[in-house]
Amino acid sequence: SFVLTQPPSVSVAPGLTARIPCGGTNLGSYSVHWYQQKSGQAPILVVYDDNDRPSGIPERFSGSNSGNTATLTINKAEAGDEADYYCQVWDSFSDHVVFGGGTKLTVL
Amino acid sequence: EVQLLESGGGLVQPGGSLRLSCAGSGFTFTNYALTWVRQAPGKGLEWVSAISGSGDSTYYADSVKGRFTISRDNSNSTLFLQMNSLRAEDTAVYYCAKFPCDNTACLGLPFDPWGQGTLVTVSS
Repeated sequence: SFVLTQPPSVSVAPGLTARIPCGGTNLGSYSVHWYQQKSGQAPILVVYDDNDRPSGIPERFSGSNSGNTATLTINKAEAGDEADYYCQVWDSFSDHVVFGGGTKLTVL
Repeated sequence: EVQLLESGGGLVQPGGSLRLSCAGSGFTFTNYALTWVRQAPGKGLEWVSAISGSGDSTYYADSVKGRFTISRDNSNSTLFLQMNSLRAEDTAVYYCAKFPCDNTACLGLPFDPWGQGTLVTVSS
């Protein structure tokens, strides 16, 4: 089955840029979605279809996807961005939704 | 405002059964595919199951296939997850979430929004 790989943690200083990678074989041929989950809360969608933002999500959040890696980029990171971030795709070969293992973003 | 509200979680013994519900409001329920996602304590998100708007098409993760059944009552805007033969590893918060349309082509699209979740604990 299709596997998405994320680093367990990423750290960034306030005001700088955080990049969270998500790896998978030929991932560039998939549409990748990203969810943010703050402690004790349900996930929310922050980027969809590789690089689109839902309404209400700050422009600081963006995405890219090419080759075997998709990346969620958070510009000018803020303390409020601390959360777990998950990438997700639909694997049409298995008819399964697939999540990455999640990355804990720390802003320090 | 689109809202999803899960209920039905609780403590159940291994081998037991439980039925979760997810009530939808603020949208035309039958026009949207829906899904269940779970999260074990301290762990990541795991997709469980999905269902088309009509209920004719269903999909399951390998870990629950044959034990869980997803269904929906469009007349009452409610999604269900019948969970049988429960195991300790099924312990998790179970979330329901909405796709942006109702057919198979939607399954590549993102979930938005999610409900707040209901906790299922499988323990003796």
